[in-house]
Amino acid sequence: KQEVTQIPAALSVPEGENLVLNCSFTDSAIYNLQWFRQDPGKGLTSLLLIQSSQREQTSGRLNASLDKSSGRSTLYIAASQPGDSATYLCALIHSNYQLIWGAGTKLIIKP
Amino acid sequence: DTEVTQTPKHLVMGMTNKKSLKCEQHMGHRAMYWYKQKAKKPPELMFVYSYEKLSINESVPSRFSPECPNSSLLNLHLHALQPEDSALYLCASSQEFPDRLYNEQFFGPGTRLTVL
Repeated sequence: KQEVTQIPAALSVPEGENLVLNCSFTDSAIYNLQWFRQDPGKGLTSLLLIQSSQREQTSGRLNASLDKSSGRSTLYIAASQPGDSATYLCALIHSNYQLIWGAGTKLIIKP
Repeated sequence: DTEVTQTPKHLVMGMTNKKSLKCEQHMGHRAMYWYKQKAKKPPELMFVYSYEKLSINESVPSRFSPECPNSSLLNLHLHALQPEDSALYLCASSQEFPDRLYNEQFFGPGTRLTVL
């Protein structure tokens, strides 16, 4: 059974730091992996999608990597800003074509 | 346009009321989804529509009734809900379902539902 884990559950860093959020999964047979951002009480914003054949995707200050062999994806945020404060969720498409979700990492960027 | 819209933003209803949630997308996507999200939890899939036909029902109680009038619209009809149904209801769409490649999901802002 595919399981997705995000550690840590919460992270607080000073503004300006580069940081890495982690997402691990137990079965490497995935079709793609998607990173989302969610502000409190709001919907989800898709940040990056990595297809299974890709190793990374970049959008602005965000870079997501995928290593299927180790069952791991990372979301790198460069030069963090207070506006980056949110919960970040990873989710992947597995054999049943439905999103399987991690529990999320709550990120706080301190000014 | 990568926007999914949902109305209303907030809804308060009694257990005997009948109400509907609405979702709309104009990205030409052929798959639409309803999710339920409780506080500090990831979304839980409720229904999937593909080409306007119900493809997946995740054993959702019949007091939730989905409807897909056309490829751009998705409704969720609510009747005789319970207080534990209070949650954020999210709509999403993707190009295709099921599909290995064209399945990036785009989410709406959600409807915050409170059942009294």
